[in-house]
Amino acid sequence: NAGVTQTPKFQVLKTGQSMTLQCAQDMNHNSMYWYRQDPGMGLRLIYYSASEGTTDKGEVPNGYNVSRLNKREFSLRLESAAPSQTSVYFCASRDRAGNTEAFFGQGTRLTVV
Amino acid sequence: SQQGEEDPQALSIQEGENATMNCSYKTSINNLQWYRQNSGRGLVHLILIRSNEREKHSGRLRVTLDTSKKSSSLLITASRAADTASYFCAPRGMNRDDKIIFGKGTRLHILP
Repeated sequence: NAGVTQTPKFQVLKTGQSMTLQCAQDMNHNSMYWYRQDPGMGLRLIYYSASEGTTDKGEVPNGYNVSRLNKREFSLRLESAAPSQTSVYFCASRDRAGNTEAFFGQGTRLTVV
Repeated sequence: SQQGEEDPQALSIQEGENATMNCSYKTSINNLQWYRQNSGRGLVHLILIRSNEREKHSGRLRVTLDTSKKSSSLLITASRAADTASYFCAPRGMNRDDKIIFGKGTRLHILP
């Protein structure tokens, strides 16, 4: 019953450092998503991937890169972290068929100092 | 894809009362989904209503959809402390784009 697994759960970075957030799903879903959520706010879409080998920008892609490594895994990379990227990051996945729900990971709490 | 806009932004009610929150959207949809988020955790899917449905029930949840007004409502009956959470709607547009865009949500607080 793993569902969507995100690693790490917590991370502190210094400004300018790089890191990759990992996301894996075991439900054979086609679509995967990365969101960020700032305090008291809703989720904002950073990037999404409708299928293996494809990625598209969301609402707030600047400062991020993604890789859809295979059908299971979708990673989010911060090349040069900035304090404005302090946030909680959520990964989600769903089957691309029409009437389906999205499943979310438990989040990665990232602080950039 | 399109974004839903939830209203009100925040709602406080006494335990046992009913809570109603609304979602408005702009263009035709295939379906609309409601999600709940407890205190910074990942979102959890609550219910999906298709564009050809007007009302759907799941336990204490009742969702209505009015496509002529481009709006949906989520009613939680006999609220409990555990219902304290943020609630988000996610309309799914008719195009092939598989984005999921969320609004700012409704923050529901159940008072003891």
